[in-house]
Amino acid sequence: GEDVEQSLFLSVREGDSSVINCTYTDSSSTYLYWYKQEPGAGLQLLTYIFSNMDMKQDQRLTVLLNKKDKHLSLRIADTQTGDSAIYFCAPSGEGYQKVTFGTGTKLQVIP
Amino acid sequence: DVKVTQSSRYLVKRTGEKVFLECVQDMDHENMFWYRQDPGLGLRLIYFSYDVKMKEKGDIPEGYSVSREKKERFSLILESASTNQTSMYLCASSLRPAGYTFGSGTRLTVV
Repeated sequence: GEDVEQSLFLSVREGDSSVINCTYTDSSSTYLYWYKQEPGAGLQLLTYIFSNMDMKQDQRLTVLLNKKDKHLSLRIADTQTGDSAIYFCAPSGEGYQKVTFGTGTKLQVIP
Repeated sequence: DVKVTQSSRYLVKRTGEKVFLECVQDMDHENMFWYRQDPGLGLRLIYFSYDVKMKEKGDIPEGYSVSREKKERFSLILESASTNQTSMYLCASSLRPAGYTFGSGTRLTVV
């Protein structure tokens, strides 16, 4: 099966940019998703990128995909305290939209 | 607003009990999923279903079964609950490429 790796923890100051990184092993991943989980809640889809793209921007969020190195990153510009959460990288495989989730990166925003 | 609803936020059950976790979606999605989430392990797929009465094992199906008699409802069954099944259980549904919509989760404690 696919392996998805993320660092467990990231701490940034309010107003700075945050970059959350993810590496995966399945080169056939067609959609690559980022999810956000706030304390006590389920996961919320933030954004996704199709595998034939190398960048996608959505307001404060920028997703970069390096397909050759199987590396995905999520940049959050002007990070706010409300961005404090766990962020999951989730590449999809073929078939019935099954995705594999990374362990999640806990983002702490320091005021 | 589209929704995935899990019937309970918190459950406490005794070892050996049969436990039912219910999930209902109102988006007419074909695909539904059950994950468990444990600290440091991320989300692990238990079972998924891509159609009524269809089911597929995920990565950790042992000790669990599922039922999907109607398109909108996907039930997870713990045949004989054990303490190592204490966890957060997350249900999701999907329609590619929009990604998953998650429920709020059920925190199950088995004593």
